[in-house]
Amino acid sequence: DGGITQSPKYLFRKEGQNVTLSCEQNLNHDAMYWYRQDPGQGLRLIYYSQIVNDFQKGDIAEGYSVSREKKESFPLTVTSAQKNPTAFYLCASSASIAPAGNEQFFGPGTRLTVL
Amino acid sequence: AQSVTQLDSHVSVSEGTPVLLRCNYSSSYSPSLFWYVQHPNKGLQLLLKYTSAATLVKGINGFEAEFKKSETSFHLTKPSAHMSDAAEYFCVVSSGYNKLIFGAGTRLAVHP
Repeated sequence: DGGITQSPKYLFRKEGQNVTLSCEQNLNHDAMYWYRQDPGQGLRLIYYSQIVNDFQKGDIAEGYSVSREKKESFPLTVTSAQKNPTAFYLCASSASIAPAGNEQFFGPGTRLTVL
Repeated sequence: AQSVTQLDSHVSVSEGTPVLLRCNYSSSYSPSLFWYVQHPNKGLQLLLKYTSAATLVKGINGFEAEFKKSETSFHLTKPSAHMSDAAEYFCVVSSGYNKLIFGAGTRLAVHP
């Protein structure tokens, strides 16, 4: 089956710890994205990557870091600098960044809770 | 700059009655517009998209949306609601380089 997998589904972290969320896709897509979703709000873009070894900050990148060493993988690290990390995190991919109408495919999400 | 406003945070309908979820957008150029659906604790699934072709767009599960440039609207409709339609719906506009800008969402409840 082609698609996007995220792991783990639920993640608990103590304050002051870094944690890494996994995102893998087997759709052969060039572009990948990380979003954050808070209750009653739409998704907000954290980081995106157009191609391997390249990534750009989104609207709320502070306290997060990413890497794109392989086409199929785009892990997100939530650092201790992120002041309010409890949220639902969604990874997505699309065939390319352009044109603007390219559909983004979403993974099932990871729910991060900071204790 | 692009933005999206979903006019209702909650909509409640009876099974078998029509669904209308309202969305207005703001864009400095001809936009690409999407509706996504999210079931509880799940990822998002694309319902339909508009990319400057036909203004009436048909999607999956009987949903459709009409792009009205004069009203800057992209409302989502379905003639007859089903219990399985209960979910959260997001209206989305795509800015340059396929950056998606999401509305706050509309939670649809369907009652027997």
